[in-house]
Amino acid sequence: DGGITQSPKYLFRKEGQNVTLSCEQNLNHDAMYWYRQDPGQGLRLIYYSQIVNDFQKGDIAEGYSVSREKKESFPLTVTSAQKNPTAFYLCASSVEGLPLHFGNGTRLTVT
Amino acid sequence: AQSVAQPEDQVNVAEGNPLTVKCTYSVSGNPYLFWYVQYPNRGLQFLLKYITGDNLVKGSYGFEAEFNKSQTSFHLKKPSALVSDSALYFCAVRDITGGSYIPTFGRGTSLIVHP
Repeated sequence: DGGITQSPKYLFRKEGQNVTLSCEQNLNHDAMYWYRQDPGQGLRLIYYSQIVNDFQKGDIAEGYSVSREKKESFPLTVTSAQKNPTAFYLCASSVEGLPLHFGNGTRLTVT
Repeated sequence: AQSVAQPEDQVNVAEGNPLTVKCTYSVSGNPYLFWYVQYPNRGLQFLLKYITGDNLVKGSYGFEAEFNKSQTSFHLKKPSALVSDSALYFCAVRDITGGSYIPTFGRGTSLIVHP
């Protein structure tokens, strides 16, 4: 069954630590995305990638970094520079022009 | 530039009654429009899309949406609501002629269906 796998589902970190969220897809999609979801704010785009070894900043990229070394994988690192990292993070993929497929998210809590 | 508005944070409806979740959009050119549903602690699931053709689009779980170009709207509808339809609904738009393939999402509307 094709889909997007995000791991872990829940993640807890201390303030000042970097943390990496995993996103893997077996849909053979070229494009991948990371969104942040906060209550009442909808989805905000962090980074996106159209092809391997290329990615662009979204609307709220500060304090985050990504890599796209393989078509299937698009990990997101939340760095200590991110001022308010506690949120629900969603990874998605798509074929251009078609609807996005989403993973089930990672809920990150930083204390 | 592209944008989408969902004017209602929450919609309440009784089970068995028709439901409408509103969405309006703004694009420079022609829109691709999408509706997604999100259940608690899950990702978004695609419901339906409008790209071209008939203004009334039918999707999953008995949902449909009507594209209205003059009113720049794409409201989600269902003739008879179920308690299990209670979830968060997102409208999204992409400007076909704007050169970007990244959709813009609305803030979401919480649908609550009362038994």
